[in-house]
Amino acid sequence: GESVGLHLPTLSVQEGDNSIINCAYSNSASDYFIWYKQESGKGPQFIIDIRSNMDKRQGQRVTVLLNKTVKHLSLQIAATQPGDSAVYFCAETYGQNFVFGPGTRLSVLP
Amino acid sequence: DGGITQSPKYLFRKEGQNVTLSCEQNLNHDAMYWYRQDPGQGLRLIYYSQIVNDFQKGDIAEGYSVSREKKESFPLTVTSAQKNPTAFYLCASSTYSNTGELFFGEGSRLTVL
Repeated sequence: GESVGLHLPTLSVQEGDNSIINCAYSNSASDYFIWYKQESGKGPQFIIDIRSNMDKRQGQRVTVLLNKTVKHLSLQIAATQPGDSAVYFCAETYGQNFVFGPGTRLSVLP
Repeated sequence: DGGITQSPKYLFRKEGQNVTLSCEQNLNHDAMYWYRQDPGQGLRLIYYSQIVNDFQKGDIAEGYSVSREKKESFPLTVTSAQKNPTAFYLCASSTYSNTGELFFGEGSRLTVL
């Protein structure tokens, strides 16, 4: 597989537990945020997004929280499954500019 | 199915050679992007194009070139001037709007021997 994700922070969770992955963003003018999931050797897949006029958005088993005061974004995954093992990274956007975080590796333990 | 196709998935190059990575999309997206991904780092923008026959340099354009002759295609050439070309390259596209979401291809892994 790809060497993407070496030296990344790692979060290990027990199967069935909830996972929380955090991301700090840099630009207070960013108005749109995205979480991506990247499995080894593959391209990133969209998980969920949120606009700056919202604090929370829920999808299927995932929730994104946005705290604009401290420029912090989090992704919560409920009832984590083995298939959730991957690298997760956030992206902030302003206009057509995208800035990506380095990512967090999620490891699901049996 | 609609999507972005990158080829080849794996490519080996000798030092001093130029190589071209292909990116094709059938999503009817206006904007296309090339990113480089290195271990432990966020995606870095190489080039992007918002319309046909127009493109702009990203943060790390040196040693790379692109063309946008068709809406569907945005090939990236890694030239011999790129000092450290071994990396995972990702192509992406989006609508030219404030929707913002980027759709990614499956990536191309370039290794310089």
